[in-house]
Amino acid sequence: GAVVSQHPSRVICKSGTSVKIECRSLDFQATTMFWYRQFPKQSLMLMATSNEGSKATYEQGVEKDKFLINHASLTLSTLTVTSAHPEDSSFYICSARDPPTDRKVYGYTFGSGTRLTVV
Amino acid sequence: GENVEQHPSTLSVQEGDSAVIKCTYSDSASNYFPWYKQELGKRPQLIIDIRSNVGEKKDQRIAVTLNKTAKHFSLHITETQPEDSAVYFCAVRLYSGAGSYQLTFGKGTKLSVIP
Repeated sequence: GAVVSQHPSRVICKSGTSVKIECRSLDFQATTMFWYRQFPKQSLMLMATSNEGSKATYEQGVEKDKFLINHASLTLSTLTVTSAHPEDSSFYICSARDPPTDRKVYGYTFGSGTRLTVV
Repeated sequence: GENVEQHPSTLSVQEGDSAVIKCTYSDSASNYFPWYKQELGKRPQLIIDIRSNVGEKKDQRIAVTLNKTAKHFSLHITETQPEDSAVYFCAVRLYSGAGSYQLTFGKGTKLSVIP
């Protein structure tokens, strides 16, 4: 099946620095990727939709200047948390829509997630 | 936008019993309803999904039922096992404009299967 690779799995950074998270679709092209944020014991909240070759679409309340998304190729989307603060500490996870097959039209595969801790 | 309600938030069952989790949604145009299982610190894994033109789907011990009229769908797990313990999320797919679709998730149900 479709595989989405996300790196790093864990990162600890100092307050004020920036962190880049990568999400790659393996063996398939993903024109659209989704970035979610998940706080402990809570649900996945969509932050933005990343579109290859165009600007990302951000959900209400998400600062686009703080969470920079770049989808420069059909297999790679990156999320950069700029000037990170402790309140940005969270689990960030990407998702790509699976390529359609004869048996399945819809499907979404998630990356393994990135645990960000800002100290 | 879509509003997805999921109940219960926690569920404890004895091993071998059945578990049922229910979700309701608000937008009748929603057309795809997946269920995900997430273990602590790991990615959500799709366990079963259903499209709007189907009323029920079953895969071994797991089944999903959809009532489009009432706008609710349910996950049924039979003969539960300790390894079924996890957080389960329902999701609803909706067209979000400009040729894009997105998933909206329920708040999750923490299922505990007691041996």
